[in-house]
Amino acid sequence: GENVEQHPSTLSVQEGDSAVIKCTYSDSASNYFPWYKQELGKGPQLIIDIRSNVGEKKDQRIAVTLNKTAKHFSLHITETQPEDSAVYFCAARADKLIFGTGTRLQVFP
Amino acid sequence: DAGVIQSPRHEVTEMGQEVTLRCKPISGHDYLFWYRQTMMRGLELLIYFNNNVPIDDSGMPEDRFSAKMPNASFSTLKIQPSEPRDSAVYFCASSFGTRHTGELFFGEGSRLTVL
Repeated sequence: GENVEQHPSTLSVQEGDSAVIKCTYSDSASNYFPWYKQELGKGPQLIIDIRSNVGEKKDQRIAVTLNKTAKHFSLHITETQPEDSAVYFCAARADKLIFGTGTRLQVFP
Repeated sequence: DAGVIQSPRHEVTEMGQEVTLRCKPISGHDYLFWYRQTMMRGLELLIYFNNNVPIDDSGMPEDRFSAKMPNASFSTLKIQPSEPRDSAVYFCASSFGTRHTGELFFGEGSRLTVL
């Protein structure tokens, strides 16, 4: 089955800096790659997703890139703000949606 | 819409007791998922339903766990008997349309502590 690895597990940045979270997946049949943000005491919420026929997708300060050959995808957050502080999960779907282990992002003012 | 509603938000029980977690999906959504979140194992898919029918329960850890969806607006996850290792946050999520490529809408979770 699919296996998703996510790095780093924690990430601290200064407000205004960029943050990058990376994930790798194992199943070459995976074709859908969402990213979820989980705030304290809440359920995860979809922030952006990308499908296998696209290499990059951007939505304001958030972008995701996908390298199908290398089987890795990344989340890029530019101009980080304190409200970006949360746990971020990547996921990949071949047969089922499998989540990475999460990255705790802290943005310091 | 109020979103996915889960109850209880917090449950503390003793080993051996029965635990029932409840979920009301978003109206009109035809898929319902139960996930378990722990520090060690992250977000694990336990079971999912399509149109109230269980499709894949391969993630259910053992026979102590069972899930039902008697109608489109209600699902339960039951643990009987509960054990300390079942302590986790249990999330219910729903989606519309495609099986695993539609947006999942998560509830706020039920935090279970088994003493």
